[in-house]
Amino acid sequence: QKEVEQDPGPLSVPEGAIVSLNCTYSNSAFQYFMWYRQYSRKGPELLMYTYSSGNKEDGRFTAQVDKSSKYISLFIRDSQPSDSATYLCAMSGYNKLIFGAGTRLAVHP
Amino acid sequence: DADVTQTPRNRITKTGKRIMLECSQTKGHDRMYWYRQDPGLGLQLIYYSFDVKDINKGEISDGYSVSRQAQAKFSLSLESAIPNQTALYFCATSDARKEQETQYFGPGTRLLVL
Repeated sequence: QKEVEQDPGPLSVPEGAIVSLNCTYSNSAFQYFMWYRQYSRKGPELLMYTYSSGNKEDGRFTAQVDKSSKYISLFIRDSQPSDSATYLCAMSGYNKLIFGAGTRLAVHP
Repeated sequence: DADVTQTPRNRITKTGKRIMLECSQTKGHDRMYWYRQDPGLGLQLIYYSFDVKDINKGEISDGYSVSRQAQAKFSLSLESAIPNQTALYFCATSDARKEQETQYFGPGTRLLVL
């Protein structure tokens, strides 16, 4: 079993939809939870990070962490075609980041 | 100028050849990483270095070696390339002073081994 599980998609939604991206994990020692966005032919870039459980909001993006369920989510409100990318969750542990496989998202006009 | 650069951006090589991928950073970070990315598998850690004298194996280090020539430079070598090393390779850096260990990625090197 992988330490971090993420549905690879692809996920296709119409412009303006609310998108929900999720990851589950098995190691309760993880403390920092991150979401990276990767556009085609580019390196991943940090979108948001959250420490421990709770919510964090940044514009149209909201990250949620539920440590009791070992489940994290990223919500995108009013999705735009420019949000089309692969979204990778990542968790900090053992001085390393453990990445999910990434979910490919396509937002069509 | 980009903070993390990788050369070459694309490379085609033949089975058995030795190749080197290079990474340079201007962020002043101590920690540097090499990952490979394959469809459906996400990012897998090959090697990482927390400073010039510290080199550590990641989860898939077999068939690879690295050299940390300076704080700003971290090279990845494939001693004898094989086709299943065809992948997208990323270098990343992080600041040891920051608790959340945000990693900053280069643009990637697309490698094809024939």
